[in-house]
Amino acid sequence: EDQVTQSPEALRLQEGESSSLNCSYTVSGLRGLFWYRQDPGKGPEFLFTLYSAGEEKEKERLKATLTKKESFLHITAPKPEDSATYLCAVQGDFGNEKLTFGTGTRLTIIP
Amino acid sequence: ETGVTQTPRHLVMGMTNKKSLKCEQHLGHNAMYWYKQSAKKPLELMFVYNFKEQTENNSVPSRFSPECPNSSHLFLHLHTLQPEDSALYLCASSPGTSNTDTQYFGPGTRLTVL
Repeated sequence: EDQVTQSPEALRLQEGESSSLNCSYTVSGLRGLFWYRQDPGKGPEFLFTLYSAGEEKEKERLKATLTKKESFLHITAPKPEDSATYLCAVQGDFGNEKLTFGTGTRLTIIP
Repeated sequence: ETGVTQTPRHLVMGMTNKKSLKCEQHLGHNAMYWYKQSAKKPLELMFVYNFKEQTENNSVPSRFSPECPNSSHLFLHLHTLQPEDSALYLCASSPGTSNTDTQYFGPGTRLTVL
């Protein structure tokens, strides 16, 4: 069974203080690893898809990286508007369209 | 806006009521999904429809009944729910044309069962 563990559960940073969120996973044949951002009371918003170890993708202050066991979401010089819950999900060989999600990291950026 | 809309955004119902949640996608996708999101728990896949055919029912109780009349619309019919069914119900869609499809989510319906 596919599993996703995200850490830390919550993270508070000062504006401009860079850090990283972790997503550890076990999956039978990774087809894709997904990062989403979710604001309170809203649906998850797609950020990145990573397909193979060594791949990296960037969007504004966010950069996602992937190894065979984990993914990191690096946030550089964050701003208060980056505050949200960040969700990681994996899609494996035997799950068809199924995504297995972690419980998320709640990120708060303090002005 | 992601191109996936859900109505209503909030719903309060009693345990004996019957209600329906609606989802519509304007992305030309072929696959649609229902997820349940409860506090402190990961998103939980409930149902998957691909080209209007149900391809996954993730052991969901029969008090939840999905309907997919076409590739753009998805419903979740609710009856005799329990208080523990209170949660955020999310609809998503994906192209349905490759092995690794990105799923795009709607804003969700916040359901409270009294």
